Amino acid sequence: LAKTTQPISMDSYEGQEVNITCSHNNIATNDYITWYQQFPSQGPRFIIQGYKTKVTNEVASLFIPADRKSSTLSLPRVSLSDTAVYYCLVGDRQNTDKLIFGTGTRLQVFP
Amino acid sequence: DTGVSQDPRHKITKRGQNVTFRCDPISEHNRLYWYRQTLGQGPEFLTYFQNEAQLEKSRLLSDRFSAERPKGSFSTLEIQRTEQGDSAMYLCASCSSGNSYNEQFFGPGTRLTVL
Repeated sequence: LAKTTQPISMDSYEGQEVNITCSHNNIATNDYITWYQQFPSQGPRFIIQGYKTKVTNEVASLFIPADRKSSTLSLPRVSLSDTAVYYCLVGDRQNTDKLIFGTGTRLQVFP
Repeated sequence: DTGVSQDPRHKITKRGQNVTFRCDPISEHNRLYWYRQTLGQGPEFLTYFQNEAQLEKSRLLSDRFSAERPKGSFSTLEIQRTEQGDSAMYLCASCSSGNSYNEQFFGPGTRLTVL
Protein backbone atom coordinates (compact mmCIF):
# COMPACT_ATOMS: atom_id res chain seq x y z
CA LEU A 1 0.00 0.00 0.00
CA ALA A 2 1.17 3.53 -0.79
CA LYS A 3 2.81 5.43 2.02
CA THR A 4 1.09 8.59 3.18
CA THR A 5 2.42 11.72 4.84
CA GLN A 6 0.26 14.09 6.86
CA PRO A 7 0.89 16.74 9.52
CA ILE A 8 1.38 15.43 13.04
CA SER A 9 -0.96 17.94 14.61
CA MET A 10 -3.24 20.86 13.91
CA ASP A 11 -5.09 23.34 16.08
CA SER A 12 -8.34 25.12 15.31
CA TYR A 13 -11.16 27.00 16.96
CA GLU A 14 -14.82 26.15 17.01
CA GLY A 15 -16.69 27.26 13.92
CA GLN A 16 -13.66 27.30 11.64
CA GLU A 17 -13.09 25.15 8.59
CA VAL A 18 -10.22 22.71 8.94
CA ASN A 19 -8.30 21.31 6.01
CA ILE A 20 -5.94 18.38 6.53
CA THR A 21 -3.70 17.54 3.60
CA CYS A 22 -2.22 14.13 2.93
CA SER A 23 0.58 13.34 0.47
CA HIS A 24 0.63 10.01 -1.34
CA ASN A 25 3.11 10.39 -4.17
CA ASN A 26 3.21 6.68 -5.02
CA ILE A 27 -0.53 6.13 -5.28
CA ALA A 28 -1.40 3.35 -7.73
CA THR A 29 -4.03 3.49 -10.45
CA ASN A 30 -6.48 1.29 -8.55
CA ASP A 31 -5.96 2.93 -5.17
CA TYR A 32 -8.68 4.85 -3.38
CA ILE A 33 -8.08 7.44 -0.69
CA THR A 34 -9.79 6.80 2.63
CA TRP A 35 -9.96 8.82 5.83
CA TYR A 36 -10.66 7.57 9.32
CA GLN A 37 -11.35 9.44 12.56
CA GLN A 38 -10.39 8.14 15.98
CA PHE A 39 -11.45 9.45 19.37
CA PRO A 40 -9.50 8.53 22.51
CA SER A 41 -10.20 5.01 23.76
CA GLN A 42 -12.30 4.16 20.70
CA GLY A 43 -11.68 2.33 17.46
CA PRO A 44 -11.20 4.28 14.22
CA ARG A 45 -14.31 5.29 12.32
CA PHE A 46 -14.57 5.52 8.54
CA ILE A 47 -15.28 9.09 7.42
CA ILE A 48 -15.00 9.31 3.67
CA GLN A 49 -13.47 7.69 0.61
CA GLY A 50 -12.76 8.95 -2.88
CA TYR A 51 -10.89 8.32 -6.10
CA LYS A 52 -10.73 11.69 -7.83
CA THR A 53 -12.10 15.25 -7.83
CA LYS A 54 -14.46 15.85 -4.93
CA VAL A 55 -16.54 13.72 -2.61
CA THR A 56 -18.88 15.13 0.01
CA ASN A 57 -20.95 13.52 2.71
CA GLU A 58 -22.66 14.71 5.86
CA VAL A 59 -19.40 14.72 7.80
CA ALA A 60 -16.69 16.01 5.48
CA SER A 61 -15.50 16.76 1.98
CA LEU A 62 -12.55 15.17 0.24
CA PHE A 63 -10.69 17.04 -2.48
CA ILE A 64 -8.39 15.12 -4.81
CA PRO A 65 -6.41 16.91 -7.55
CA ALA A 66 -6.02 15.46 -11.00
CA ASP A 67 -2.59 13.92 -10.34
CA ARG A 68 -3.96 12.22 -7.17
CA LYS A 69 -0.63 12.62 -5.40
CA SER A 70 -2.31 14.39 -2.51
CA SER A 71 -5.74 14.83 -1.00
CA THR A 72 -7.37 17.23 1.43
CA LEU A 73 -9.94 16.36 4.05
CA SER A 74 -12.13 19.35 4.78
CA LEU A 75 -14.17 19.60 7.98
CA PRO A 76 -16.63 22.51 7.87
CA ARG A 77 -17.31 24.52 11.00
CA VAL A 78 -15.59 22.25 13.50
CA SER A 79 -16.81 21.83 17.04
CA LEU A 80 -15.09 20.61 20.19
CA SER A 81 -16.35 17.11 19.41
CA ASP A 82 -14.22 17.01 16.26
CA THR A 83 -11.09 16.83 18.42
CA ALA A 84 -9.62 13.51 17.33
CA VAL A 85 -6.87 11.85 15.31
CA TYR A 86 -7.47 11.71 11.56
CA TYR A 87 -5.82 9.06 9.42
CA CYS A 88 -5.29 9.11 5.66
CA LEU A 89 -4.91 5.75 3.92
CA VAL A 90 -4.62 4.67 0.31
CA GLY A 91 -5.33 1.24 -1.12
CA ASP A 92 -7.20 -0.82 -3.68
CA ARG A 93 -10.62 -1.18 -2.17
CA GLN A 94 -11.28 -4.51 -3.86
CA ASN A 95 -7.90 -6.08 -3.15
CA THR A 96 -6.93 -4.75 0.24
CA ASP A 97 -6.13 -7.41 2.82
CA LYS A 98 -5.28 -4.92 5.53
CA LEU A 99 -5.34 -1.22 6.33
CA ILE A 100 -2.00 0.46 6.93
CA PHE A 101 -2.27 3.39 9.29
CA GLY A 102 0.37 6.04 9.81
CA THR A 103 0.53 8.15 12.94
CA GLY A 104 -2.30 10.40 11.72
CA THR A 105 -3.02 14.08 12.37
CA ARG A 106 -4.05 15.03 15.86
CA LEU A 107 -6.66 17.80 15.57
CA GLN A 108 -7.32 19.89 18.67
CA VAL A 109 -10.33 22.19 18.55
CA PHE A 110 -10.44 25.02 21.08
CA PRO A 111 -13.51 26.95 22.26
CA ASP B 1 -21.75 2.03 18.13
CA THR B 2 -20.54 0.41 14.91
CA GLY B 3 -22.12 -2.95 15.60
CA VAL B 4 -18.78 -4.62 16.30
CA SER B 5 -18.36 -5.63 19.93
CA GLN B 6 -15.31 -6.70 21.85
CA ASP B 7 -14.97 -8.34 25.22
CA PRO B 8 -13.52 -7.54 27.64
CA ARG B 9 -13.01 -3.80 27.25
CA HIS B 10 -10.15 -3.84 29.73
CA LYS B 11 -7.84 -6.59 30.90
CA ILE B 12 -5.12 -6.38 33.50
CA THR B 13 -2.89 -9.40 33.83
CA LYS B 14 0.43 -10.40 35.25
CA ARG B 15 3.41 -11.18 33.10
CA GLY B 16 3.43 -14.80 32.01
CA GLN B 17 -0.33 -15.28 32.09
CA ASN B 18 -2.43 -16.17 29.04
CA VAL B 19 -5.21 -13.88 27.88
CA THR B 20 -8.00 -14.30 25.35
CA PHE B 21 -10.05 -11.58 23.72
CA ARG B 22 -13.30 -11.98 21.84
CA CYS B 23 -14.69 -10.06 18.89
CA ASP B 24 -18.23 -10.23 17.55
CA PRO B 25 -18.37 -8.64 14.09
CA ILE B 26 -21.40 -7.29 12.27
CA SER B 27 -23.32 -10.45 11.46
CA GLU B 28 -23.34 -10.18 7.69
CA HIS B 29 -19.65 -9.31 7.44
CA ASN B 30 -17.50 -12.18 6.26
CA ARG B 31 -14.15 -10.47 6.82
CA LEU B 32 -12.73 -9.95 10.28
CA TYR B 33 -9.47 -8.20 11.16
CA TRP B 34 -7.34 -7.84 14.26
CA TYR B 35 -5.14 -4.80 14.86
CA ARG B 36 -2.95 -3.65 17.73
CA GLN B 37 -2.48 -0.03 18.71
CA THR B 38 0.10 1.40 21.06
CA LEU B 39 0.08 4.89 22.50
CA GLY B 40 0.63 7.61 19.90
CA GLN B 41 0.65 5.20 16.98
CA GLY B 42 -1.92 4.20 14.41
CA PRO B 43 -3.40 0.70 14.48
CA GLU B 44 -1.06 -2.06 13.30
CA PHE B 45 -2.48 -4.98 11.33
CA LEU B 46 -2.09 -8.44 12.90
CA THR B 47 -4.26 -10.92 11.01
CA TYR B 48 -7.53 -11.36 9.17
CA PHE B 49 -10.15 -13.95 8.31
CA GLN B 50 -12.50 -14.42 5.44
CA ASN B 51 -15.29 -16.52 6.89
CA GLU B 52 -13.44 -19.15 8.97
CA ALA B 53 -10.26 -19.10 6.89
CA GLN B 54 -7.30 -17.19 8.25
CA LEU B 55 -5.84 -15.65 5.11
CA GLU B 56 -2.98 -13.65 6.55
CA LYS B 57 -1.17 -14.27 9.80
CA SER B 58 2.42 -13.40 9.07
CA ARG B 59 1.99 -10.11 10.90
CA LEU B 60 1.14 -11.78 14.18
CA LEU B 61 3.84 -10.49 16.47
CA SER B 62 5.20 -13.81 17.63
CA ASP B 63 4.20 -17.44 18.04
CA ARG B 64 2.66 -16.43 21.37
CA PHE B 65 -0.16 -14.82 19.39
CA SER B 66 -2.90 -16.87 17.79
CA ALA B 67 -6.35 -16.16 16.45
CA GLU B 68 -9.35 -18.28 15.56
CA ARG B 69 -12.70 -17.84 13.92
CA PRO B 70 -14.10 -21.36 14.14
CA LYS B 71 -17.56 -20.87 12.67
CA GLY B 72 -16.97 -17.79 10.62
CA SER B 73 -18.76 -15.60 13.12
CA PHE B 74 -17.01 -14.43 16.29
CA SER B 75 -13.24 -14.53 16.64
CA THR B 76 -10.80 -14.89 19.50
CA LEU B 77 -7.27 -13.58 19.86
CA GLU B 78 -5.07 -15.33 22.39
CA ILE B 79 -1.76 -14.18 23.76
CA GLN B 80 0.21 -16.76 25.66
CA ARG B 81 2.87 -15.98 28.27
CA THR B 82 2.16 -12.28 28.17
CA GLU B 83 5.00 -9.78 28.34
CA GLN B 84 4.94 -6.14 29.37
CA GLY B 85 5.50 -5.18 25.74
CA ASP B 86 2.14 -6.72 24.88
CA SER B 87 0.39 -3.88 26.69
CA ALA B 88 -1.69 -2.15 24.03
CA MET B 89 -5.19 -1.67 22.64
CA TYR B 90 -6.34 -4.64 20.58
CA LEU B 91 -8.87 -3.69 17.93
CA CYS B 92 -11.17 -5.83 15.88
CA ALA B 93 -12.78 -4.73 12.63
CA SER B 94 -15.11 -6.28 10.10
CA CYS B 95 -16.32 -5.65 6.59
CA SER B 96 -18.18 -7.36 3.79
CA SER B 97 -16.38 -8.73 0.75
CA GLY B 98 -19.18 -7.25 -1.30
CA ASN B 99 -18.17 -3.75 -0.35
CA SER B 100 -14.98 -1.74 -0.19
CA TYR B 101 -12.31 -3.43 1.90
CA ASN B 102 -11.09 0.03 2.80
CA GLU B 103 -14.30 0.67 4.74
CA GLN B 104 -13.89 -1.38 7.88
CA PHE B 105 -16.04 -1.15 10.98
CA PHE B 106 -14.02 -1.15 14.16
CA GLY B 107 -15.00 -2.27 17.62
CA PRO B 108 -14.21 -0.29 20.77
CA GLY B 109 -11.09 -2.31 21.47
CA THR B 110 -9.72 -4.28 24.40
CA ARG B 111 -7.09 -2.46 26.41
CA LEU B 112 -4.52 -4.89 27.79
CA THR B 113 -2.20 -3.97 30.63
CA VAL B 114 0.51 -6.45 31.54
CA LEU B 115 2.04 -5.86 34.95
